[in-house]
Amino acid sequence: NAGVTQTPKFRVLKTGQSMTLLCAQDMNHEYMYWYRQDPGMGLRLIHYSVGEGTTAKGEVPDGYNVSRLKKQNFLLGLESAAPSQTSVYFCASSYMTSGTQYFGPGTRLTVL
Amino acid sequence: KNEVEQSPQNLTAQEGEFITINCSYSVGISALHWLQQHPGGGIVSLFMLSSGKKKHGRLIATINIQEKHSSLHITASHPRDSAVYICARPWGGSNTDKLIFGTGTRLQVFP
Repeated sequence: NAGVTQTPKFRVLKTGQSMTLLCAQDMNHEYMYWYRQDPGMGLRLIHYSVGEGTTAKGEVPDGYNVSRLKKQNFLLGLESAAPSQTSVYFCASSYMTSGTQYFGPGTRLTVL
Repeated sequence: KNEVEQSPQNLTAQEGEFITINCSYSVGISALHWLQQHPGGGIVSLFMLSSGKKKHGRLIATINIQEKHSSLHITASHPRDSAVYICARPWGGSNTDKLIFGTGTRLQVFP
């Protein structure tokens, strides 16, 4: 099993460009999450999903959109990237919302 | 102000030392999580505990629900234990909630 995978691993964008980060899990987990990690701050929840076809806002959702068309995939979109979105993005999945979470390797995004 | 407080923020140790990392929180919870973030960035879950103590190898996690406090201990520390250790609690306290994370304790163990 691959666990949780993320693509791409690194990306540099210019302000205003758009992109999509893909998260995939092969553990048949219902719950999936997107976090961002910034220096000096804890992981912060951007959006999450409690099942295929569902999404919900987390702590810092502004500027991001998500979709969960298939149970194994959770996409994070940036429609118009801003320098404030420079961060490391982690995807995670779990059997239940506060159960053990399994993390992807992260995507380092720089917005110039 | 982060609602999950960890101390210390940074910790250095000599190989073989006993390590303690502390986590305190402000609301009643059903369970607390400890995670490890490797120097390369990868994050793995270490423990989820709701009472008492759990042990895995040289790692021991304890929790006092009444005191709203948890500790992570590492016995006979080794340089490969160098990482950031993060605690997290359910957002609203119950076991149906999302997690809120502390800012982590950065541990460096020197040979």
